[in-house]
Formats: sequence, structure tokens, C-alpha cells
Amino acid sequence: QGQLVQSGAEIKRPGSSVKVSCKTSGTTFNTYTFNWVRQAPGQGLEWMGAITPIVGTANYGRVFQGRLTITADESSTTTYMELSGLTSEDSAVYFCARGFGANYLDYWGQGTPVTVSS
Amino acid sequence: DIQMTQSPSSLSASVGDTVTITCRASRDFSDWLAWYQQKPGKVPKLLIYAASRLQRGVPSRFSGSGSGTEFTLTISSLQPEDFATYYCQQTDTSPSFGGGTKVE
Repeated sequence: QGQLVQSGAEIKRPGSSVKVSCKTSGTTFNTYTFNWVRQAPGQGLEWMGAITPIVGTANYGRVFQGRLTITADESSTTTYMELSGLTSEDSAVYFCARGFGANYLDYWGQGTPVTVSS
Repeated sequence: DIQMTQSPSSLSASVGDTVTITCRASRDFSDWLAWYQQKPGKVPKLLIYAASRLQRGVPSRFSGSGSGTEFTLTISSLQPEDFATYYCQQTDTSPSFGGGTKVE
């Protein structure tokens, strides 16, 4: 049984960056793909990007290219999502999720609310 | 990038009804499609993967079908706990979600 535990809520100023962590336990870390998905208040799900630790390189959604960085630390079985150049439109709940097979998301973190406000 | 269009965006149903939700892709791709259920304030839950495979632990009243550009989620005999929002997701090169269908 996999478990993904995310870091806590964040409040950020416009123009700043946020870094959210996702600690994995109870599952093999290296061979799965770890995704980041966000959900703005009252809105749908938006895929941001993903990383497969054994490969090491991340893939990013087109709209996030240039300001999103996803990394993985095998020693702590933790993935990180860092988003820069924050605006109010980045206020959302950010989820990490484990992907299996063709990257189907079976285990999810609890979500991390990020509020961007001056 | 592949765009996913879900319909309807919302629907009204009653316990015992059969509900069908459709997801259309902007171009043909393999059957790398999943369906998720999300209840308010909760984390999404995987229901169906590879277009038609039922995830472990999901009731058999949920089923998925389709290929190419059109996919369907069917809920047979809707139960009270099934009132939620449902999303499709294609997991091709750059994954994307449909806009969601609220079943109320």
C-alpha cells in the first residue's frame, strides 16, 4: 500500500516561489512516475508535470514550461514541486500522485493548499 | 497536446439510474485513458484505467469503454455514494484531464 504525504499549506506573495514536498512510503520509489496535479478553487484538475526517479528527468505541461521544476530525492523517497513567478491564478490545491502502467494515478497525496496574495 | 472534452458538464440523476459520461479527444491516441471520481474536499480516486479496466476495489457497476477519440464511463444502478464529479484523463505524452462531469 503506497502512501504519499505532502508538506503543509503555504501563503506566498505574488512573484515569489513555492516548493512543495511529497514523501513516499510503502511502495517502491524509483520505478514509478510521480505526478503533480493542481486544482484551483471550484475548478477541475490540471496536470502539471511528472518525474520517474529512475530516469531522473521531468516532463512538464506546456503552460508550466520555464517556471516549474520537479525533482526527486531517492535517499528520502521524496519528490518536490517548485513553481516560480507566482500570481493569484496559481492559488490552488496541489496534489502529488503516483503513476503506474501508462501513468495512471492510483495513490494521491492529501493535497497542499497554496494561496498567493499580496 | 491532446485536449479532452467531457460531456455533459453536469447531470441530474436518481438512485438506481444508469449514467453515461463521454470524453472526446482532439486527436486519436492509444487507449491510455483513465477515469477518476472526486467528492468535495477529497482526493481523486482512480476508477478505470486503460479505458476499460476496473481498478482494484472499485464496484463493478462502474465500467469504461471506447477507443480512438471517444470514451465512455457508465455507472449502472447509481448509488447514493456515487454523487460526485468525474474526470477523464489521457496519459499520452503530455497528460491532460477533461473538464469534469458533476453528477447530482
